[in-house]
Amino acid sequence: DIQMTQSPLSLSASLGDRVTITCRASQSISNYVNWYQHRPGRAPKLLIYAASSLQTGVPSRFSGSGSGTDFTLTISNLQPEDFATYVCQQCFNTLFTFGQGTTLDIK
Amino acid sequence: QVQLQESGPGLVTPSETLSLSCSVSGASLGSLYWSWLRQPPGRGLEWLAHMQYSRSPKYNPSLRGRAAMSLDTAKNQFYLNLTSATAADTAVYFCATLLGSDNYNWFGPWGPGTLVTVSS
Repeated sequence: DIQMTQSPLSLSASLGDRVTITCRASQSISNYVNWYQHRPGRAPKLLIYAASSLQTGVPSRFSGSGSGTDFTLTISNLQPEDFATYVCQQCFNTLFTFGQGTTLDIK
Repeated sequence: QVQLQESGPGLVTPSETLSLSCSVSGASLGSLYWSWLRQPPGRGLEWLAHMQYSRSPKYNPSLRGRAAMSLDTAKNQFYLNLTSATAADTAVYFCATLLGSDNYNWFGPWGPGTLVTVSS
């Protein structure tokens, strides 16, 4: 299986801040990475697919980058609704695997 | 707009079968791929299975042959049965569409999840 390792696992930030979350794959996976936002008790929501493509309807303050083994999700100008858990997922093969999740909370 | 809603037993006795259903609105089961995922307490998301109508399901090998996924197009629902349940199967279970293009795949939309606890 391809292991996806996120860092940090938790992060505190203030409204208006810019934050970056990292995801490292255990092998090279080109740009086959997706990012999701998950709020407690709610359905996870796709933010970014193919490492850097913004899903329709997702605010442009979300951006993704990376290729190979290292990927990042950046959130600019944090808004109240952005405080949630963010999860990366590889789709390089169909034994899909996820990172552990990064919980972003208000400082 | 595709919407999904999971239903589950809440509590399952160890060694019994864990049975889940997912009701779909806004899309026909025959048109997309459908999937099951779960999140054990304090742990990350785990993909369990996916399938498309009239094609064989694909399962996570970690389930060691205990899973069976099926679709009912008449009811627009799909299902997951997980036999020989153990405490390790305690999790929030999600159903989701599996979408994609050009060899890229992603999950979404998802249901809100249903908690299943395996305990005597």
